[in-house]
Amino acid sequence: QVQLVESGGGVVQPGRSLRLSCAASGFTFSNYGLHWVRQAPGKGLEWVALISYDGSNKFYADSVKGRFTISRDNSIDTLYFQMNSLRTEDTAVYYCARGPYYDTRVVQHWGQGTLVTVSS
Amino acid sequence: QSALTQPASVSGSPGQSITISCTGTSSDVGGYNFVSWFQQHPGKAPKLMIYDVTNRPSGVSNRFSGSKSGNTASLTISGLQAADEADYYCNSYTSRSTLVFGGGTRLTVL
Repeated sequence: QVQLVESGGGVVQPGRSLRLSCAASGFTFSNYGLHWVRQAPGKGLEWVALISYDGSNKFYADSVKGRFTISRDNSIDTLYFQMNSLRTEDTAVYYCARGPYYDTRVVQHWGQGTLVTVSS
Repeated sequence: QSALTQPASVSGSPGQSITISCTGTSSDVGGYNFVSWFQQHPGKAPKLMIYDVTNRPSGVSNRFSGSKSGNTASLTISGLQAADEADYYCNSYTSRSTLVFGGGTRLTVL
């Protein structure tokens, strides 16, 4: 079955960097687009980034554009999210999610999330 | 990109039907048939309930149905059950090749 396992969350000071990882299994990783979605404590879901199946296309929400970078390594079935210049408002649970076959217009399967806390 | 508009809360009694609306623009909900609905219980990851406006993934009860008219999509849950009490989020593809979520609706089963 589809499994997405996020890691790399933790407590970080404002202005610092953090890299999240998402290890995938149960499907042919290189055939699927992937997303990062976040949820601030007690708040709703916010889509933040997507990457196409081959990494050639990447799109970001305005709130993270220029600070965060999504990438993937299809040789080890892993998605990454490099987060720079972190702000307190970036505090959230970050979910890795997968779309349908070769499609990035829909989110289907979700990981369990990893908590990022930005605080001094 | 502004969030899609959902009512903050809805409620219903067991056995009744409820409908949650999701209003966007012609650049998202109205422009594409890529509207999804997610259910989220406290402390859990979201679960896909409806995709491509009307389609149910395998394993999702046929008590859940979706529709769209113009810039507004809707999720209807019939035969309400206690287990349906959760937060519900709509989601749409946009003209910027991004995705956008609604603000979420808390469903209370009375």
